[in-house]
Amino acid sequence: QVQLQESGPGLVKPSETLSLTCTVSGGSVRSYYWSWIRQPPGKGLEWIGYIYYTGSTNYNPSLKSRVTISVDTSKDQFSLRLSSVTATDTAVYYCARLYHGSGSYNFDLWGQGTLVTVSS
Amino acid sequence: SFELTQPPSVSVSPGQTASITCSGDRLGDKLASWYQQKPGQSPALVIYQNNKRPSGIPERFSGSNSGNTATLTISGTQAMDEADYYCQAWDTSTGVFGTGTKVTVL
Repeated sequence: QVQLQESGPGLVKPSETLSLTCTVSGGSVRSYYWSWIRQPPGKGLEWIGYIYYTGSTNYNPSLKSRVTISVDTSKDQFSLRLSSVTATDTAVYYCARLYHGSGSYNFDLWGQGTLVTVSS
Repeated sequence: SFELTQPPSVSVSPGQTASITCSGDRLGDKLASWYQQKPGQSPALVIYQNNKRPSGIPERFSGSNSGNTATLTISGTQAMDEADYYCQAWDTSTGVFGTGTKVTVL
């Protein structure tokens, strides 16, 4: 079965760039949309953006100026870069598959999440 | 910007019905989804396209969406249903999650 696994540094310094990768195992990134979602400790979910396997992207307007999502079809991976981070970017970051069917988009498969702390 | 508001908490006795609301401007014109998140776990899809259940989701979970409010209903609530629940919809290609509701089974 298809599984998602986030990887990357758990600690990032303020003003630096957060970089995470999601590896898709048991399947392919092709023919799907892929997304990043985050959750600050004790708080709710926030959608960051999505990418189609062709490389087209869409970002949350509130983060758009700092976010880049990319995909590597040869490795079945997609990645997140968030620049100029501050303490408010401390969160559990989830990667998720965004299933498109019958006119709706739904996050039907999630990674386990990885905690990224922004601190000097 | 488009926002989705949920009650912070809902309490329900075992075997009773829990209803969780999600309010947003003309939400009924959009498709709503619901996600369940148990402590220490990733969210999981329980309702999509307003009222459809993914494979493996018990029939006691149902959904509706009309006007400005989407509702997730859990009939015959069980202790295992204790979790946080988030509604979600798309507004001009922007994903929006609700504020979240903690369901406590007393």
